Amino acid sequence: GAVVSQHPSWVICKSGTSVKIECRSLDFQATTMFWYRQFPKQSLMLMATSNEGSKATYEQGVEKDKFLINHASLTLSTLTVTSAHPEDSSFYICSAKTGSGGTEAFFGQGTRLTVV
Amino acid sequence: SQQGEEDPQALSIQEGENATMNCSYKTSINNLQWYRQNSGRGLVHLILIRSNEREKHSGRLRVTLDTSKKSSSLLITASRAADTASYFCAGYTGNQFYFGTGTSLTVIP
Repeated sequence: GAVVSQHPSWVICKSGTSVKIECRSLDFQATTMFWYRQFPKQSLMLMATSNEGSKATYEQGVEKDKFLINHASLTLSTLTVTSAHPEDSSFYICSAKTGSGGTEAFFGQGTRLTVV
Repeated sequence: SQQGEEDPQALSIQEGENATMNCSYKTSINNLQWYRQNSGRGLVHLILIRSNEREKHSGRLRVTLDTSKKSSSLLITASRAADTASYFCAGYTGNQFYFGTGTSLTVIP
């Protein structure tokens, strides 16, 4: 399958700071990327859908001012967790859709965020 | 995203045995992927099967897809201790994913 890379794989930050997570499609252009959050022992929950060149669409209950998403190019979307708190500690995963008419999407390996 | 169902939720087998996990979903999909996730670690893509495919093999993995029953199965043959992980399916409609809740597999050496 196509390769989607997330960076960093894990990060520890202090409360109140902001953390940026990158999601890159390495060998294809992705007009649409998805951001998920996974709580321990649970499945993935969609946070937002990111479309290149436009504002992200957030799922109900997700604070758009806290989880800033930027999809500035066809190969890169970023998720910034602003003013992080310990309750934001989680596993964040992106997936990228292959092309505007793509029928396939692939996941990045995920980023584990720990806020201390 | 919407949840599918996966069974069993937990499976414990002896090394060398086969492990079968099942996944069901609720709407039409373009394709379905199986992923592995080790505890506290990232996702590892295992295999993708498209809606027009019924069976696919990759090494010790065998995946089936029954679109009429909206279900898929993952078979791991000759299991190894290193196969211990959580496995989940993700069905993609073209707009969103359906996720199984995952099967926690333990392979006992």
